[in-house]
Amino acid sequence: DIQMTQSPSSLSASVGDRVSITCRASQSISSSLNWYQQKPGKAPNLLIYAASNLQSGVPSRFSGSGSGTVFTLTISSLQPEDFATYYCQHSYSTPYSFGQGTKLDIK
Amino acid sequence: QVQLQESGPGLVKSSQTLSLTCTVSGGSISSRSYYWNWIRQPAGKGLEWIGRMYTSGSTNYNPSLQSRVTISVDTSKNQFSLKLSSVTAADTAVYYCARESYDFLLHYYYMDVWGKGTTVTVSS
Repeated sequence: DIQMTQSPSSLSASVGDRVSITCRASQSISSSLNWYQQKPGKAPNLLIYAASNLQSGVPSRFSGSGSGTVFTLTISSLQPEDFATYYCQHSYSTPYSFGQGTKLDIK
Repeated sequence: QVQLQESGPGLVKSSQTLSLTCTVSGGSISSRSYYWNWIRQPAGKGLEWIGRMYTSGSTNYNPSLQSRVTISVDTSKNQFSLKLSSVTAADTAVYYCARESYDFLLHYYYMDVWGKGTTVTVSS
């Protein structure tokens, strides 16, 4: 099974900052990597699919990059509504798995 | 606009079977463009993929749960269901259903529509 590891596990930043979150796969997964945002008490929300494709309706300040085993989610200019937990998920083959999450909070 | 809604008992006794249903509205569960997934999240923890099914009835399960999990579909009701047998306290979690869109040629698979989740507590 493929294991996903995110770093950092938590991150403090300010409105307007540029932040990046890294996700590493235990083996190559090509571009089969998705990113989700989850706010407390809510279901996850798809941000990026296939490593770099912005889901419809998601602000353009979110972007994704990478292939193989290392992937990055970048938020170009943090907005107040971006403080949440972010998860990566591989979709290379089943069983799917998620990273452990990165909690982004206000500095 | 497709919406998913989980339903089922919020409390299940240890060793019994957890049964949840996901009702799909605004679209057909029989569409060949989607898979239908179950994911769970213990309080304060991360997401765990449980399994998925295709409209044909084919399924894929997480090996860690495979011996206890069954996902099935009722196309007449536009619903799919999760059964998890022999539950323990470790199965206490928020359970989500989600639609998975895919492009076979590009190998894109992603969960783009989620239910709000339902909390299931396993009691002793």
